[in-house]
Amino acid sequence: GQQLNQSPQSMFIQEGEDVSMNCTSSSIFNTWLWYKQDPGEGPVLLIALYKAGELTSNGRLTAQFGITRKDSFLNISASIPSDVGIYFCAGQLRWRGSTLGRLYFGRGTQLTVWP
Amino acid sequence: NAGVTQTPKFRVLKTGQSMTLLCAQDMNHEYMYWYRQDPGMGLRLIHYSVGEGTTAKGEVPDGYNVSRLKKQNFLLGLESAAPSQTSVYFCASTEVGGTDTQYFGPGTRLTVL
Repeated sequence: GQQLNQSPQSMFIQEGEDVSMNCTSSSIFNTWLWYKQDPGEGPVLLIALYKAGELTSNGRLTAQFGITRKDSFLNISASIPSDVGIYFCAGQLRWRGSTLGRLYFGRGTQLTVWP
Repeated sequence: NAGVTQTPKFRVLKTGQSMTLLCAQDMNHEYMYWYRQDPGMGLRLIHYSVGEGTTAKGEVPDGYNVSRLKKQNFLLGLESAAPSQTSVYFCASTEVGGTDTQYFGPGTRLTVL
């Protein structure tokens, strides 16, 4: 199967700091996605990226689709306590315009924010 | 709209017992998926379905069976549970085309003793 390497595994930061995490793959993906998972909940989509080089923002979150299509990063600016959770990257393949929907997930980055 | 719901939320089984996890979605989505999440492993795809009456294997299908008799429901079965199947199970669904955003259920925490 596809191998996604997500780093760092965990981060402990102070409220107000910026956060950066990234994901690399051994294979090319057509779509990169970033999800957040709160304790006891399912993952929720934060940002979706569809083109190599694309830079997309969602509030304090910014994500980029790497030029090689084998990597992506997520930045969170001015972190707040509710940013706590596990962040997952996911790669998705498309074939002839259809994705088949299959996602390949990274192992997650556990973010802890100290007040 | 309830979105994606899963039942039960928690379950404890003994080795060798069987059980079925139910996933339901009310968004008229074509595609549905079952994932398992283990500590430090991210989510791994067990089985998926691209429409009513069709199923396919994902990355880790062994020990599981699925059925999609109705478009809105996707069942995951464990015929003879093993401790290695202790995990949190997530169901997801997506419509065909568009952004293909997958919507996840809240999860089922299963422990096999």
